[in-house]
Amino acid sequence: GAGVSQSPRYKVAKRGQDVALRCDPISGHVSLFWYQQALGQGPEFLTYFQNEAQLDKSGLPSDRFFAERPEGSVSTLKIQRTQQEDSAVYLCASTPDSYTIYFGEGSWLTVV
Amino acid sequence: KQEVTQIPAALSVPEGENLVLNCSFTDSAIYNLQWFRQDPGKGLTSLLLIQSSQREQTSGRLNASLDKSSGRSTLYIAASQPGDSATYLCAPFNNAGNMLTFGGGTRLMVKP
Repeated sequence: GAGVSQSPRYKVAKRGQDVALRCDPISGHVSLFWYQQALGQGPEFLTYFQNEAQLDKSGLPSDRFFAERPEGSVSTLKIQRTQQEDSAVYLCASTPDSYTIYFGEGSWLTVV
Repeated sequence: KQEVTQIPAALSVPEGENLVLNCSFTDSAIYNLQWFRQDPGKGLTSLLLIQSSQREQTSGRLNASLDKSSGRSTLYIAASQPGDSATYLCAPFNNAGNMLTFGGGTRLMVKP
C-alpha cells in the first residue's frame, strides 16, 4: 500500500481481554516502531524492530505487552489481560533509513 | 534519557498572526529533528525534518530552526490560518537512528 496501515482502527475491549493490533508498514521499510499515545500527551516509545529483530523493547510498560515481526514486514502488538490504563492510541511507524518516518493513523483502544 | 519539552502547551490566536512554537531537548547527540502535525483522530504527518548539520528548513509558511548545541528548535508559522489548527509535535531522532522521542505537543487553535 501507499502508507502505513493499522488495524483495527478502533477497539473496545473488556478489562481482562486480550487484544492484538496489526501494523502493515510501507513495503521495503526496514525499521518499524510502536508508540503509545495517551489522550492529550505526546507519543511514548514502546518498541523498535529492524527487519524481524526486536532491537529495543525498553518502552513496553509491562510483561502483558508483546510485539513481534516474524517475517520482517507485518508487525503485531499484543496486549494480554487488558487494564483500563492501557486505553490509548497505539501508533505504528516505519522508515527505510531514519530520515523520514511515516506513521499510520493508529489503533484506538478503549478498555472498559 | 532524552527529554523533550514543548512550550506553550496550548495556543489560541486570531487568523493572520505569526506564531513561534518552542521545543527543547536534553541530549544534543541527535541525528535529526522532525516536526509533526497531528489532527484530532489522526496519525502524525511529518512537516519538516532538520538534519543535525543544518540550521533551518522551510516549507511554504513553515520554517523550523535548530540549535543543536543549546538543545532548542523552533517552528515558525507565518500568517496563520484556521486550517493550521492542530497539535504540533517535535521529535529528535537519536544518533543510532532507532529512537524518536516526542514532546507533549502544542495544541494550536487559529480562530477565523
